[in-house]
Amino acid sequence: EDKVVQSPLSLVVHEGDTVTLNCSYEVTNFRSLLWYKQEKKAPTFLFMLTSSGIEKKSGRLSSILDKKELSSILNITATQTGDSAIYLCAVDPSGTYKYIFGTGTRLKVLA
Amino acid sequence: DGGITQSPKYLFRKEGQNVTLSCEQNLNHDAMYWYRQDPGQGLRLIYYSQIVNDFQKGDIAEGYSVSREKKESFPLTVTSAQKNPTAFYLCASSRDRPPDTQYFGPGTRLTVL
Repeated sequence: EDKVVQSPLSLVVHEGDTVTLNCSYEVTNFRSLLWYKQEKKAPTFLFMLTSSGIEKKSGRLSSILDKKELSSILNITATQTGDSAIYLCAVDPSGTYKYIFGTGTRLKVLA
Repeated sequence: DGGITQSPKYLFRKEGQNVTLSCEQNLNHDAMYWYRQDPGQGLRLIYYSQIVNDFQKGDIAEGYSVSREKKESFPLTVTSAQKNPTAFYLCASSRDRPPDTQYFGPGTRLTVL
């Protein structure tokens, strides 16, 4: 059965800390992995990683895909209170558009 | 402004009633999706549609129905057959040319009284 597991489930840090969120997957015919940030309602897109694009960076956020370990990490440096959110990882297992989502990591950044 | 809209924002339903959640997009996306999110769980796929007049069941389609008569609209009906419908419902869309990301609407919170 295809599955996506995120860790940790929740995390509390102080402003300025660096955090690393993990996403591991077991799927058939991997095509892409996506990271989303969900603050209150709609998840907003952060990164898409594929076999041809295994590392992405945007400001303080960066993500790497490890195809050998079947996992991805999302790094956030110099965290701010505005980074507090649920971070979701999703994997497209076989090009059928049936993305499988992990349970998410709830990050809280304290001032 | 381009985007996805969902209505209503909050919806209360009595047991035994069918309710329909609206999802509209003006992004000219071919593919549309419905997800359900419960506390402590990730998003679970209910239905998806890659093209007008065609849709496929996701992992938890029982008790739900959809239609795709127009490219920009993908309404979800929660029927009385859905045993535990209280949840947060998210609609999304994407271009039908993989790989591509999904864009989400603001969601509808459904509560059964």
